Amino acid sequence: GEQVEQRPPHLSVREGDSAVIICTYTDPNSYYFFWYKQEPGAGLQLLMKVFSSTEINEGQGFTVLLNKKDKQLSLNLTAAHPGDSAVYFCAVRTIDRGSALGRLHFGAGTQLIVIP
Amino acid sequence: DAGVTQTPRHEVAEKGQTIILKCEPVSGHNDLFWYRQTKIQGLELLSYFRSKSLMEDGGAFKDRFKAEMLNSSFSTLKIQPTEPKDSAVYLCASRRGLGSAETLYFGSGTRLTVL
Repeated sequence: GEQVEQRPPHLSVREGDSAVIICTYTDPNSYYFFWYKQEPGAGLQLLMKVFSSTEINEGQGFTVLLNKKDKQLSLNLTAAHPGDSAVYFCAVRTIDRGSALGRLHFGAGTQLIVIP
Repeated sequence: DAGVTQTPRHEVAEKGQTIILKCEPVSGHNDLFWYRQTKIQGLELLSYFRSKSLMEDGGAFKDRFKAEMLNSSFSTLKIQPTEPKDSAVYLCASRRGLGSAETLYFGSGTRLTVL
């Protein structure tokens, strides 16, 4: 089955610096990819979802890169600010098949701290 | 529209007790998930319902964990009997269930402490 590894588990950067979080996956049938942000005491909120057809996806203050050849997904925060401090999760979904219908495979999460 | 609502926000139980956690998915959503979140294990799938039918249950959790969808707008997760190792945040999530790329919406979770 799908294995998703996320690194680093903890990341501390200064305000204005960039931060990079990387996920690697194993299933070549993975097609949909998600990044979620979790603030303290809250559930996970979608940051961005990307499809295997698009390699570079830009959001507000961050970029998501998808490297299908290496089965790698990265979240790059440019000019991080204290409000970005949270736990970030990647999630990977394969094309729906049988009993695995609809299941997401999550990374273990990255605790990001942005120091003012 | 209201998001996913989970109650209670916090629960403290003695070892051996039965506790019931509640979840109301986003109105109109067909898929509902229960996850357990701990620092060590991360997010672990407990149950997955599609249109009230149980599609998957986390194999390791079968014996003491039981999730039910009584109707399309309400689900419960029962833990019986509780053990200290069950201390975790329990998250409920839902989505419409019409396409593979849909966003999963999470509730704020229930933090369970078992003494």
